[in-house]
Amino acid sequence: DAGVTQSPTHLIKTRGQQVTLRCSPKSGHDTVSWYQQALGQGPQFIFQYYEEEERQRGNFPDRFSGHQFPNYSSELNVNALLLGDSALYLCASSFGGAGGYTFGSGTRLTVV
Amino acid sequence: QQQVKQSPQSLIVQKGGISIINCAYENTAFDYFPWYQQFPGKGPALLIAIRPDVSEKKEGRFTISFNKSAKQFSLHIMDSQPGDSATYFCAASLSGSARQLTFGSGTQLTVLP
Repeated sequence: DAGVTQSPTHLIKTRGQQVTLRCSPKSGHDTVSWYQQALGQGPQFIFQYYEEEERQRGNFPDRFSGHQFPNYSSELNVNALLLGDSALYLCASSFGGAGGYTFGSGTRLTVV
Repeated sequence: QQQVKQSPQSLIVQKGGISIINCAYENTAFDYFPWYQQFPGKGPALLIAIRPDVSEKKEGRFTISFNKSAKQFSLHIMDSQPGDSATYFCAASLSGSARQLTFGSGTQLTVLP
């Protein structure tokens, strides 16, 4: 049984560009949350999607947006990339958003 | 205040020893306190979690101690093994369906053989 799958695993972008990261949740999970983990720091909550809608959002600017598809997979989009956006982006899935998260291995984004 | 403060930043323990990592929180509305283990190149994996209605929870070699009045909780790893070498994060969340996690800054544990 596959866990949470994220793609790509690594990505290098230029400042000002846009990026899309993808996540397939664990089988049976319907809720997807995205976290940003800067080097040497704990993950920070970006937002959560449930029933194809953003249910809760952390303290991130509107440059960060997302989408959830009918099959529960999700995308994270970041526009106008800044050097400070360089981080590991983690996707976590759960059933009903009630904790018990399963995290993916993340996408390492480097902005140059 | 949503912060969760974690200490120490790094910890070195001999094989067979006890590893202790501490966390403190400010928001008394938090009602779910998990600990995650993260290996390099991997996402965090849930180790053990506790709710504030109990003072201790044990699963194998891992124990959470919870002090509601002090707003502190800690992870104890008994009989630490080299395979336990990883980064450990405490976290906390509010009740409700979204279960947004607020993480501590992490503790890098090294268990010497």
